[in-house]
Amino acid sequence: GAGVSQTPSNKVTEKGKYVELRCDPISGHTALYWYRQSLGQGPEFLIYFQGTGAADDSGLPNDRFFAVRPEGSVSTLKIQRTERGDSAVYLCASSSGLAGATGELFFGEGSRLTVL
Amino acid sequence: TQLLEQSPQFLSIQEGENLTVYCNSSSVFSSLQWYRQEPGEGPVLLVTVVTGGEVKKLKRLTFQFGDARKDSSLHITAAQPGDTGLYLCAGAHTGTASKLTFGTGTRLQVTL
Repeated sequence: GAGVSQTPSNKVTEKGKYVELRCDPISGHTALYWYRQSLGQGPEFLIYFQGTGAADDSGLPNDRFFAVRPEGSVSTLKIQRTERGDSAVYLCASSSGLAGATGELFFGEGSRLTVL
Repeated sequence: TQLLEQSPQFLSIQEGENLTVYCNSSSVFSSLQWYRQEPGEGPVLLVTVVTGGEVKKLKRLTFQFGDARKDSSLHITAAQPGDTGLYLCAGAHTGTASKLTFGTGTRLQVTL
């Protein structure tokens, strides 16, 4: 597609359940990012992929969160044993270069996760 | 932890008014970007500034990067309802250009 695609757009789950969120970046973009945006806040960095490898995962809050990008394109963010505090909009972005001066981030519409 | 503080948090003005949004930090950034986000959508890049003191204009929007590269401002002239949205600044540090630190956001509402 023309833009970054994220599925599902909305996910409601129960505390303790496992969740997967998918991101399909812009074709040809080697860099892929996951951010989390809580209500009323700016996005917070979770993880950055360059190709298939996680180049920076310093933003993952704990070991319940994991992300993969096995073929260097689609990425999946996996959350185990969900907690109510995980409720947020999970944003995926891709770019042809590094964020900041050398690259523009193109964001998807996000996946809204609600943990009951 | 949000290292970039934006002010004001909320701003409601009438069409035709001018406004300024501020983005402040104690950290030096190698570059700073401004994004606008509308409800149910992801942020969209407006501008990138990289040089201390740099000023960039985008139609009625004027962006300035502080001389010390710790702060930035966004000035909108003659605001229109289409300017309504969440404005976010985001900084990148030298050596960790892959990771943007976003500000707390300024929610702007422009009414007729």
